[in-house]
Amino acid sequence: IAGITQAPTSQILAAGRRMTLRCTQDMRHNAMYWYRQDLGLGLRLIHYSNTAGTTGKGEVPDGYSVSRANTDDFPLTLASAVPSQTSVYFCASSDSRSSGANVLTFGAGSRLTVL
Amino acid sequence: GQNIDQPTEMTATEGAIVQINCTYQTSGFNGLFWYQQHAGEAPTFLSYNVLDGLEEKGRFSSFLSRSKGYSYLLLKELQMKDSASYLCAVQDSNYQLIWGAGTKLIIKP
Repeated sequence: IAGITQAPTSQILAAGRRMTLRCTQDMRHNAMYWYRQDLGLGLRLIHYSNTAGTTGKGEVPDGYSVSRANTDDFPLTLASAVPSQTSVYFCASSDSRSSGANVLTFGAGSRLTVL
Repeated sequence: GQNIDQPTEMTATEGAIVQINCTYQTSGFNGLFWYQQHAGEAPTFLSYNVLDGLEEKGRFSSFLSRSKGYSYLLLKELQMKDSASYLCAVQDSNYQLIWGAGTKLIIKP
């Protein structure tokens, strides 16, 4: 089934630990994104990638890093987790970020709790 | 600054019609999106408007007025499965998506 796979689905993490959220898509989309969703707030963009080999910072990039070694994979790493990073994280992809109706396809989300 | 406003929560009755409003102030405009998000699930695409007017897609319609910075999503013949959050998002001049906080729609029998 075509789409986006995120892992893990849910994770409880001690503050200060390193964590990588995995994201894989099989739609051959050029652009990929990481968002966080917190109660009462809109989706906030953490990092994005317009194409393999390039990445960019979104609205809330601090404390997070990404890489885009190939078209399909876009992992998000928290180098040293803090409680304010407790959130639901969504990975998304789209055909193109720079023209027309940039329709996003989202993964199922990763719920992260930092204690 | 960039801002998207939509009501936090709305309640409607099964079989009725509901209109969810969205107002926006953004740096440029390259289209407005509506997404549906059921509790605990991912957002899914509903509609895209870039020109003024009404776009109809089955029981769902979306309206845009660029001069007023205003859109609405109209849901007809409401079903219990329409209980979800509805997210409004605007694509600005850099094709960056600016998201509203979402409207939680509660459908009562």
